[in-house]
Amino acid sequence: AQSVSQHNHHVILSEAASLELGCNYSYGGTVNLFWYVQYPGQHLQLLLKYFSGDPLVKGIKGFEAEFIKSKFSFNLRKPSVQWSDTAEYFCAVIVYPHQTGANNLFFGTGTRLTVIP
Amino acid sequence: GAGVSQSPRYKVAKRGQDVALRCDPISGHVSLFWYQQALGQGPEFLTYFQNEAQLDKSGLPSDRFFAERPEGSVSTLKIQRTQQEDSAVYLCASSLVGRASNQPQHFGDGTRLSIL
Repeated sequence: AQSVSQHNHHVILSEAASLELGCNYSYGGTVNLFWYVQYPGQHLQLLLKYFSGDPLVKGIKGFEAEFIKSKFSFNLRKPSVQWSDTAEYFCAVIVYPHQTGANNLFFGTGTRLTVIP
Repeated sequence: GAGVSQSPRYKVAKRGQDVALRCDPISGHVSLFWYQQALGQGPEFLTYFQNEAQLDKSGLPSDRFFAERPEGSVSTLKIQRTQQEDSAVYLCASSLVGRASNQPQHFGDGTRLSIL
């Protein structure tokens, strides 16, 4: 069955530190990959997505992610975090052909990021 | 409004009661998804609509869960005879076109359901 793993449950960093959040998925077919962010009290928002082409994708707010097909990974990175990056981060996958009748997202369990000023 | 709207934001019910959760997607969005997010977990797929047609309900955990979207816009998720394990945040998401597309899903704020 399709699964998405986020190994870091809670990450605490000081401002200006570099960030890397791990994401691995277990599906050998075609995938679309996403990172969503949920700021405190807000809804899930799309940070970035990978469909095809350049495996290094850039998203909003200085975030980027690299798709490494051989490692089934899509890690999220940011060179220098800010206090305002404190949030929960979810990796998600759409698989093709669809495992269900829909192009629904399969989510990881999320990583809570706390940035200390 | 500009985004996906869900109501109520919070719902407390006694075990055994029926509840109804509403989702108002972005105007013109064809696809509508419901997800369930338990505490400390990522969202899990419940059901999918393309316009008014419920094309997938494979994620609904039991026959106590029922969803509809009769006119292809607003959707309601109903849970009958609620149980404590139904306590979760219920998220609605919509996207512009149908399931063959790569359009991103836009999420609402969710309804936090607590069953006492």
